[in-house]
Amino acid sequence: AQKITQTQPGMFVQEKEAVTLDCTYDTSDQSYGLFWYKQPSSGEMIFLIYQGSYDEQNATEGRYSLNFQKARKSANLVISASQLGDSAMYFCAMREGRVTGGGNKLTFGTGTQLKVEL
Amino acid sequence: DVKVTQSSRYLVKRTGEKVFLECVQDMDHENMFWYRQDPGLGLRLIYFSYDVKMKEKGDIPEGYSVSREKKERFSLILESASTNQTSMYLCASSLPRGHSNQPQHFGDGTRLSIL
Repeated sequence: AQKITQTQPGMFVQEKEAVTLDCTYDTSDQSYGLFWYKQPSSGEMIFLIYQGSYDEQNATEGRYSLNFQKARKSANLVISASQLGDSAMYFCAMREGRVTGGGNKLTFGTGTQLKVEL
Repeated sequence: DVKVTQSSRYLVKRTGEKVFLECVQDMDHENMFWYRQDPGLGLRLIYFSYDVKMKEKGDIPEGYSVSREKKERFSLILESASTNQTSMYLCASSLPRGHSNQPQHFGDGTRLSIL
């Protein structure tokens, strides 16, 4: 069974500083994908970044980057130059690699609540 | 722009009622999903559908059923609502396998309270 672990229930960061949100995963699949989502207090889930298990480069999207360490089974999200609008819940998720009827199912971690302070 | 629309943002029902949560997507996606979100537990998959009239159980299907009569619409049904089904419910859609690097797109969620 797949499992995603986010060990930081809550984090604080000062505006303009960088912050790393941790995510470790457990899978026996060779092919899998890792996603990060942001959920503001309004509730919608916003896709941030994706990393495939065979991608050689770490994914980047603007101020977001994914520190992918395959051997350690970690996929940490790095947010550079934090802004007040980054305050939200952040979820790490993994897509299973097995080809099933549905495919593309995601398993989510429990989330990290990030608070950006002045 | 992609859009997943859930019929209600807030819903209050009574125990024993049959409750319908509706979700519509305009992206012609094959896959649709229902999750519930509870504090400290993250998102847990209830059911998903990969085609019209096709469905598969997720991790916590007990007490729920689903219906997908049209590609764009996926309904979650609480057969006899109970207080432990008070939660945030999120619908999502995505392209099928073969597009595995594409994300799931979510609706705004429905906060359901069962009294």
